[in-house]
Amino acid sequence: DAGVTQSPTHLIKTRGQQVTLRCSPKSGHDTVSWYQQALGQGPQFIFQYYEEEERQRGNFPDRFSGHQFPNYSSELNVNALLLGDSALYLCASSLSLSGAYQETQYFGPGTRLLVL
Amino acid sequence: TQLLEQSPQFLSIQEGENLTVYCNSSSVFSSLQWYRQEPGEGPVLLVTVVTGGEVKKLKRLTFQFGDARKDSSLHITAAQTGDTGLYLCAGVGGGSNYKLTFGKGTLLTVNP
Repeated sequence: DAGVTQSPTHLIKTRGQQVTLRCSPKSGHDTVSWYQQALGQGPQFIFQYYEEEERQRGNFPDRFSGHQFPNYSSELNVNALLLGDSALYLCASSLSLSGAYQETQYFGPGTRLLVL
Repeated sequence: TQLLEQSPQFLSIQEGENLTVYCNSSSVFSSLQWYRQEPGEGPVLLVTVVTGGEVKKLKRLTFQFGDARKDSSLHITAAQTGDTGLYLCAGVGGGSNYKLTFGKGTLLTVNP
């Protein structure tokens, strides 16, 4: 049973560029959450997708956007990259029972983004 | 805004010693989780505590949830080098609050 997978594992971009990160949830999961983990910090919630819609968003600017596909996989897009966007981006998947409750979130290995 | 504060931020001990890590908040969470993260990997869930006053044991690890469900602790007995890693506590909001709120973590190094 494959766990949560993310691609790419590492990425280097320059300021002002755009980036797309990808996540495939654990088999049987329908909900995907994205977190940003800066060096020396705990993960910070970016947003969560369920039924192909963003159902909760954290305190991140509109430069951060996402998408969920019918197969439950998800993308995180970041526009106009800043140096401060350098971080480990974590995807977590879970199962939302009847939509109003979600079970435990399982994390992928993350994508390490470096902005120069 | 719900915040979680972890202490200590860094901990370096010798193999065989005991240690306790603390997680405190001014907010109430529906449950609290502890994760361990190794370099280059995502956090791995160790335990979820739900009930105020709850104590859970996982081999040499003991987790407590405060009576008011605002704080928690992780105690490791006879630490081993394999316990080295970043320990994170995370609060679960519950209801329509689906996000996990993480503390900054405690970086534990167990020396042989």
